[in-house]
Amino acid sequence: RKEVEQDPGPFNVPEGATVAFNCTYSNSASQSFFWYRQDCRKEPKLLMSVYSSGNEDGRFTAQLNRASQYISLLIRDSKLSDSATYLCVVRYGGATNKLIFGTGTLLAVQP
Amino acid sequence: DTGVSQDPRHKITKRGQNVTFRCDPISEHNRLYWYRQTLGQGPEFLTYFQNEAQLEKSRLLSDRFSAERPKGSFSTLEIQRTEQGDSAMYLCASSTDTALSYNEQFFGPGTRLTVL
Repeated sequence: RKEVEQDPGPFNVPEGATVAFNCTYSNSASQSFFWYRQDCRKEPKLLMSVYSSGNEDGRFTAQLNRASQYISLLIRDSKLSDSATYLCVVRYGGATNKLIFGTGTLLAVQP
Repeated sequence: DTGVSQDPRHKITKRGQNVTFRCDPISEHNRLYWYRQTLGQGPEFLTYFQNEAQLEKSRLLSDRFSAERPKGSFSTLEIQRTEQGDSAMYLCASSTDTALSYNEQFFGPGTRLTVL
């Protein structure tokens, strides 16, 4: 079983739609949680951190359920520019700070 | 551009050849990471440096792989006797080392390796 699991998609949605991505992680010792965005053939970039209380950044809302080891990302009013792969990421903690990535979910927003 | 830079951006090599990649982190970032990403997968951790010390290596890093960061600034990743399974994007990331619980890792553009 992968340490971080995501539905690979693709998710094809029209402009203006609301889309939700889900992710589960297996290591209960995971300490930090993130969503990264990766455009085609580009490097991953931090989209937002995910906090237990839930957090919002404009059209993006992230939720964390530690009991269920479940992370979500909601994108409202999708734009063409949101088309990308969204990577669910966890950090176990300790000295290394290494990141464990899911396989990513591909989003294609259609005009 | 003051971001993470990697060189070369693309490398095509024949099976059995040695290749070396370079990463220049953001200035004053003392943490440096190497990841590998294959098609359809997320990046996978390979190794980590704190200044010049290599503090962790993944089991993915076979003995054909070696990484160095001799002066605590740039880093090199060498793959000896390349195999077709080594074909991937090799990503470098750097971060600061502060008392914060998490220091964001900034990724470079990657080196795309194709082994024929």
